[in-house]
Amino acid sequence: QSVLTQPPSASGTPGQRVTISCSGSSSNIGSNTVNWYQQLPGTAPKLLIYSNNQWPSGVSDRFSGSKSGTSASLAISGLQSEDEADYYCAAWDDSLNGWVFGGGTKLTVL
Amino acid sequence: EVQLVESGGGLVQPGGSLRLSCAASGFTFNNYWMTWVRQAPGKGLEWVANIKPDGSEKYYVDSVKGRFTISRDNAKSSLYLQMNSLRAEDTAVYYCGRAMAVWGQGTTVTVSS
Repeated sequence: QSVLTQPPSASGTPGQRVTISCSGSSSNIGSNTVNWYQQLPGTAPKLLIYSNNQWPSGVSDRFSGSKSGTSASLAISGLQSEDEADYYCAAWDDSLNGWVFGGGTKLTVL
Repeated sequence: EVQLVESGGGLVQPGGSLRLSCAASGFTFNNYWMTWVRQAPGKGLEWVANIKPDGSEKYYVDSVKGRFTISRDNAKSSLYLQMNSLRAEDTAVYYCGRAMAVWGQGTTVTVSS
């Protein structure tokens, strides 16, 4: 049972816009910023979004992040086949004194 | 180019010990928090521990407290994870991270008799 809650799966067709949600609490998302990661099969995670809505260098602006209260979202526009991957949200938790992850969302491009 | 290269994984019996290492290059190591994250087979990511740039603060997930120790050698640009009293549930790929932003390729730890 992950501290942050994500839907286990999401899907879309090429060109569509899909959104992945991440729900937390006042001790994590409610008081700290959120990171989003993409993990392709058999590879290390890659940072997609940091500080709720900032892009690391080299990340496509098709990926965007937002936060409201104790929830956050990752949006992927212009869906492409290479976006098929697992996506994770993460935030620092002030009560646990550690980072917490969502359980991950497997995105399928139909 | 930022590079993080983990080593030290392997097969160990329950109750045994392993020491993971992470060699960092391409950035000023002693300016950054460093992190270990793991991923059990078929499961999601789990944060394990992190350490302040000067080593003065360390944080651990509850499940490894008292068994794992994170440390660093800034002169060698290296991060370590000493893992004692290993359990089957510690079986995972362990990733070294610069803060929570850049990750190595991982090293596999298997705890089994």
